[in-house]
Amino acid sequence: GAVVSQHPSRVICKSGTSVKIECRSLDFQATTMFWYRQFPKQSLMLMATSNEGSKATYEQGVEKDKFLINHASLTLSTLTVTSAHPEDSSFYICSARDPSSGIWTYEQYFGPGTRLTVT
Amino acid sequence: GENVEQHPSTLSVQEGDSAVIKCTYSDSASNYFPWYKQELGKRPQLIIDIRSNVGEKKDQRIAVTLNKTAKHFSLHITETQPEDSAVYFCAASSFGNEKLTFGTGTRLTIIP
Repeated sequence: GAVVSQHPSRVICKSGTSVKIECRSLDFQATTMFWYRQFPKQSLMLMATSNEGSKATYEQGVEKDKFLINHASLTLSTLTVTSAHPEDSSFYICSARDPSSGIWTYEQYFGPGTRLTVT
Repeated sequence: GENVEQHPSTLSVQEGDSAVIKCTYSDSASNYFPWYKQELGKRPQLIIDIRSNVGEKKDQRIAVTLNKTAKHFSLHITETQPEDSAVYFCAASSFGNEKLTFGTGTRLTIIP
């Protein structure tokens, strides 16, 4: 199947600083990528839909000025957590569907996730 | 928007017995229902999925059933093994709207 990577896998930062997380589709082009956040022992919550060449679409309750998303190419989306605080500590996961697999193939491929710890 | 409920939140099953996890969804436009297995600190892994034009799908020890009228779908694992222990999530999405709405998860423990 298609492969999605994320970098870094783990990051620790100080409160008030910004952190950038990269999501790459390695063997396919993704016009759309999704960013999820998962707190311990909870489900995945969609934060935003990243659209190549246009603005991201944020879910209700997600601050777009705090979680900056840039989808500058068909294989790369970045999530920047600005002015991070301890409550932003979480597991961030991206996903994408391979559009070349056809309109009737719905499977999404997930990145391995990034564990963010804000101290 | 879509809302997916999942039950039970925890499930303990004797090795070799069957496990069943149930989900309900709210949006009648949803037509794709994947199930994921997630181990601690890892990405969700797709284990089986079903589209709304099918009522049941089976892959070895794993099966999924869908009742569109009642808006619910279930995961069935037979002959459970210790390596089936993990957290399982159901999800729903619709054609043309690829974003997934996840259920709350079920922690499955297989007792040897």
